[in-house]
Amino acid sequence: SQELEQSPQSLIVQEGKNLTINCTSSKTLYGLYWYKQKYGEGLIFLMMLQKGGEEKSHEKITAKLDEKKQQSSLHITASQPSHAGIYLCGADSYNNNDMRFGAGTRLTVKP
Amino acid sequence: ETGVTQTPRHLVMGMTNKKSLKCEQHLGHNAMYWYKQSAKKPLELMFVYSLEERVENNSVPSRFSPECPNSSHLFLHLHTLQPEDSALYLCASSQAGTGGIYGYTFGSGTRLTVV
Repeated sequence: SQELEQSPQSLIVQEGKNLTINCTSSKTLYGLYWYKQKYGEGLIFLMMLQKGGEEKSHEKITAKLDEKKQQSSLHITASQPSHAGIYLCGADSYNNNDMRFGAGTRLTVKP
Repeated sequence: ETGVTQTPRHLVMGMTNKKSLKCEQHLGHNAMYWYKQSAKKPLELMFVYSLEERVENNSVPSRFSPECPNSSHLFLHLHTLQPEDSALYLCASSQAGTGGIYGYTFGSGTRLTVV
């Protein structure tokens, strides 16, 4: 099965600082998804990356996919308290019957 | 609102109780999923229904029983649960066969506590 390792597990930053979260897959990536979750809530879709070298942005959040390294990074510029939450990466499996997820990165932004 | 509605939001049940979780989607998707989220663990896929047929069961204990009467509704029937089954149960939907360019759409979850 697909194994996704996220780092760091948790992150505390001062408001206004930049940060990066990484997601590394043990298997070939066919589609890499980033989600955000507030505590006790469902996952909100942020963006999807499919092609090597692809980069997408949503407001101040940018995600990149390095297909060769089977890795994706999520970068937040000038963090705000509204960015706080748990960020999870997910990946389609080869047979497309399900999506597997990393354990998540808990982000705290201090005002 | 994401278009996927889960009820109830919170549930406390004894180990001898029988209860059901409900999920409903209004997005025209034809695949639905149950995931379990425990503290500090990755989401665990429990069941997949595609075109109303179960296509995957990840060795989930028989005390969890899914039901998908149509493409818009998904249930998770619970009986004789254990305290370690306490978790957030998430329902998701998608077009069958892929996460697509928009990924899965998740409900807000049911926080289950087994006492």
